[in-house]
Amino acid sequence: QQQVKQSPQSLIVQKGGISIINCAYENTAFDYFPWYQQFPGKGPALLIAIRPDVSEKKEGRFTISFNKSAKQFSLHIMDSQPGDSATYFCAATITGSARQLTFGSGTQLTVLP
Amino acid sequence: NAGVTQTPKFQVLKTGQSMTLQCAQDMNHEYMSWYRQDPGMGLRLIHYSVGAGITDQGEVPNGYNVSRSTTEDFPLRLLSAAPSQTSVYFCASSRFATAYEQYFGPGTRLTVT
Repeated sequence: QQQVKQSPQSLIVQKGGISIINCAYENTAFDYFPWYQQFPGKGPALLIAIRPDVSEKKEGRFTISFNKSAKQFSLHIMDSQPGDSATYFCAATITGSARQLTFGSGTQLTVLP
Repeated sequence: NAGVTQTPKFQVLKTGQSMTLQCAQDMNHEYMSWYRQDPGMGLRLIHYSVGAGITDQGEVPNGYNVSRSTTEDFPLRLLSAAPSQTSVYFCASSRFATAYEQYFGPGTRLTVT
């Protein structure tokens, strides 16, 4: 059972455009939603994260939007750059427990110069 | 501070062979985990540990064994390799209080023929 569904599987954006990646979750016990960024040949690294008590979190060009009632959250990359080309994973977890991260299936982003 | 290290980086096995993937961290993290990454499947948890001497199964534990004799090391053993275990394997670590922020190693690409 895939508890976190991510779309699209791949995304091509022109330099300067907005990249949008969407995720939906099923388990209402999840209370922390991180996004990870993975460059080719490397391990994933934490990019940005949000708790469900806020609807939006922004860090530089990266913004997470969160809709608790719809059980959906999304990553927006403003002014996308070729250096943003990577695979992005959304994830969810229950803090304060022994539960590990549940990852989405990943989105391969390509930003064209 | 090396972070999370994994060896080997690449490995080719024949069906039925056994091997151990090594993982070490020097951040004194309580949590350590093993994930496998397959195209379109995201990162799936194999086994995890919340401290020395304590391990538990994740989503896809069959065919793998782990042990945690020290805080630093968390080896993953393939008992009898099968082609279905062809994948990229990532080890990760984190503090118990911030398990949503996992630090990943560089990965081991395993091919089973």
